[in-house]
Amino acid sequence: GAVVSQHPSRVICKSGTSVKIECRSLDFQATTMFWYRQFPKQSLMLMATSNEGSKATYEQGVEKDKFLINHASLTLSTLTVTSAHPEDSSFYICSAAGQSDTQYFGPGTRLTVL
Amino acid sequence: ELKVEQNPLFLSMQEGKNYTIYCNYSTTSDRLYWYRQDPGKSLESLFVLLSNGAVKQEGRLMASLDTKARLSTLHITAAVHDLSATYFCAVDMRDGTDKLIFGTGTRLQVFP
Repeated sequence: GAVVSQHPSRVICKSGTSVKIECRSLDFQATTMFWYRQFPKQSLMLMATSNEGSKATYEQGVEKDKFLINHASLTLSTLTVTSAHPEDSSFYICSAAGQSDTQYFGPGTRLTVL
Repeated sequence: ELKVEQNPLFLSMQEGKNYTIYCNYSTTSDRLYWYRQDPGKSLESLFVLLSNGAVKQEGRLMASLDTKARLSTLHITAAVHDLSATYFCAVDMRDGTDKLIFGTGTRLQVFP
């Protein structure tokens, strides 16, 4: 149990375009989902916390207009990177937490912006 | 602001040897996680430590938590090559948000 999927697993896009990443909890209801970013050889940095049906809470320094988060249902959250630039290239990982508060991590999405 | 530091950042060790990775954090918390990450992959959960004095073991890895010292350790016994990976600790903020703050990571390389 407690499986989290992400789609796509890998995406390459041109600078200036927008990219949407989906995070799904497959076998449980996730009241809270988290989005992390990880640059090469670095740790995970929390970007934002999203609760179903409410606005996401962004960490300091994360542009909410650039990284749009939608948590439309208890099993789906999306992260849209708008007007992507090469410096947005990173590994994006989501996690989902249900009633147990334990976070279950998705497999990650590698974004490359050309 | 909660800070989570691991040391060492990089560890190269010979198969069969023992070593300990340390995770220090700067605020009170009684919930700490250890994860493993292989190159290009996401996180694999290793241990959840839920109280002061908690000790958990799985195979060659053993994790412990001392909330008074704000310290967790991940001990490796008789290392094997398959343990080569990056290990992260993560501390629960315990502020009702379920947020985790990750440590800096320890890249472990085990050689013959």
